[in-house]
Amino acid sequence: EPEVTQTPSHQVTQMGQEVILRCVPISNHLYFYWYRQILGQKVEFLVSFYNNEISEKSEIFDDQFSVERPDGSNFTLKIRSTKLEDSAMYFCARDSRSNYGYTFGSGTRLTVV
Amino acid sequence: AQKITQTQPGMFVQEKEAVTLDCTYDTSDPSYGLFWYKQPSSGEMIFLIYQGSYDQQNATEGRYSLNFQKARKSANLVISASQLGDSAMYFCAMREAENSGGSNYKLTFGKGTLLTVNP
Repeated sequence: EPEVTQTPSHQVTQMGQEVILRCVPISNHLYFYWYRQILGQKVEFLVSFYNNEISEKSEIFDDQFSVERPDGSNFTLKIRSTKLEDSAMYFCARDSRSNYGYTFGSGTRLTVV
Repeated sequence: AQKITQTQPGMFVQEKEAVTLDCTYDTSDPSYGLFWYKQPSSGEMIFLIYQGSYDQQNATEGRYSLNFQKARKSANLVISASQLGDSAMYFCAMREAENSGGSNYKLTFGKGTLLTVNP
């Protein structure tokens, strides 16, 4: 299957700035997800997006975070005012129900300074 | 309580030997799926293998097999004939409510095991 593409691969931002992370999954999949992995730690669920709506969000996904699917293909995660602790690898994923596999994007490494 | 437990922070194996990475899980849902992912130093998450809770046979994918012991709630990954390129972080993950028809199939991950293959 075609890969899930994430841009940028690495972003450095100043604390307090807004960042937008982008993901291009396959448009005919309905289930999309964002996950976060702080360096050296486990992968944590942030939010699930089904049929163009948020279906579940974790306690990490506070008011600073938002997700959109602005044009039917791109899938974005916005962090409004970044904090140092937002430094992490962010993965988008789609649920390939047909082969029981979850396909992850290549990730965006966010560094907040 | 942890839903996915990987008790081995690090493992070492000689090239060409087999290695088992442990994973235990905790769920009251009768319908769930178990996944293993490989994360090399470059950071991407690579899907390796899947086992459904109702699958009668252990899953296999090439050199990867999953030793599924449902009563013990364990889903260990076995890598046969280790290669240097197998050196990576390995994560076990679970997806609950596989057949609920719901709209959210999030994965819960363990903390991972760092595998080093020695030449």
